[in-house]
Amino acid sequence: DAKTTQPTSMDCAEGRAANLPCNHSTISGNEYVYWYRQIHSQGPQYIIHGLKNNETNEMASLIITEDRKSSTLILPHATLRDTAVYYCIVRVDRAAGNKLTFGGGTRVLVKP
Amino acid sequence: GAVVSQHPSWVICKSGTSVKIECRSLDFQATTMFWYRQFPKQSLMLMATSNEGSKATYEQGVEKDKFLINHASLTLSTLTVTSAHPEDSSFYICSARDSLAPTYNEQFFGPGTRLTVL
Repeated sequence: DAKTTQPTSMDCAEGRAANLPCNHSTISGNEYVYWYRQIHSQGPQYIIHGLKNNETNEMASLIITEDRKSSTLILPHATLRDTAVYYCIVRVDRAAGNKLTFGGGTRVLVKP
Repeated sequence: GAVVSQHPSWVICKSGTSVKIECRSLDFQATTMFWYRQFPKQSLMLMATSNEGSKATYEQGVEKDKFLINHASLTLSTLTVTSAHPEDSSFYICSARDSLAPTYNEQFFGPGTRLTVL
């Protein structure tokens, strides 16, 4: 699976949009971009995933650049409950084993 | 939505004892479950892949005789930490795939089990 690079931490203001970048310059054509988050002392939670088109669901939007070498997770209106570590993972879908390899993630602190 | 539970949520044990952690998929069948370990302020590290009815597949560096995995049914996998020592103190998290869902490759995570070995 391709390696990802994320900022170690970032702060954002409550009620504002939070934009979380992720670089995956070695991504292959059949690899998807997944985002998970982990609130303190809990298991990770799936947020969204995509291949090349932008995606949106009730939690967030995922913007993938045309060359697919980077992406941005957007939390449209950050709340205090969105404080968590956010993990960007790229992997082949339906791959044998379906392993998820977690990197360091971005520690997001939403401030009042 | 798919729910995965773990039991216990936390456990404290003496060095040298064995501890069993259960991972259950509550509303779906899971032929594959995964066990992760997370040390404080670190990321999740995959320990092993648990396959229903067959032997688990361990990641490099994980001792299979120390971390015994049993996946005897489509809804239950257990991780037993044998002869636990203080360095085994960690947050253990399981995840499961819904074998029958169209998005069967999605993993749903349990809430984790915090193990403290004295």
